[in-house]
Amino acid sequence: SAVISQKPSRDICQRGTSLTIQCQVDSQVTMMFWYRQQPGQSLTLIATANQGSEATYESGFVIDKFPISRPNLTFSTLTVSNMSPEDSSIYLCSGIKQGNTYNEQFFGPGTRLTVL
Amino acid sequence: QKEVEQDPGPLSVPEGAIVSLNCTYSNSAFQYFMWYRQYSRKGPELLMYTYSSGNKEDGRFTAQVDKSSKYISLFIRDSQPSDSATYLCAMSRRGSTLGRLYFGRGTQLTVWP
Repeated sequence: SAVISQKPSRDICQRGTSLTIQCQVDSQVTMMFWYRQQPGQSLTLIATANQGSEATYESGFVIDKFPISRPNLTFSTLTVSNMSPEDSSIYLCSGIKQGNTYNEQFFGPGTRLTVL
Repeated sequence: QKEVEQDPGPLSVPEGAIVSLNCTYSNSAFQYFMWYRQYSRKGPELLMYTYSSGNKEDGRFTAQVDKSSKYISLFIRDSQPSDSATYLCAMSRRGSTLGRLYFGRGTQLTVWP
């Protein structure tokens, strides 16, 4: 597998502001994803971060609210725009490395966001 | 109906107990079944994965998949306080291990000494 780091690890933000979360992988990965994890809920996929092109968003998530960049095979950013308290959550970056028998999806430590 | 259902618990057991964690699912296209462990304030880490039906054992952990019942289980033998974490089941579709995972809500487990 590989190691993923995220910055910031946590933040407290004011309503109406934006926050950009960075995701760095220590080696090249085939796929990168962004998930949201709300208390007591399952991980919800926000989007697939595509290298060099626009991200692919899941139903209920839009680019204007969650713009994503992936300039290369080891780095991606997620911006949470015009935040409201409903955006308070843990945001997780994940990556997939192709293996011989199984393509493991591994996760970063998460960014804990609180919006006041 | 959610595609993956998992009882969130919490589950509290004494050290040495056998723990059984379960998920049910509705989509027959799921072919890969994973269990992730998530410690507090950490990201999920892959514990085990199983392809299609059957059992898989790794030390104190055994994963079972019953596709006919759309039911998967994780058993932890001789549970330890260090096993205290949230356990998430996850699944992916046939031919799609490079794609999205579908997660259960996670079961919070506490093993007390």
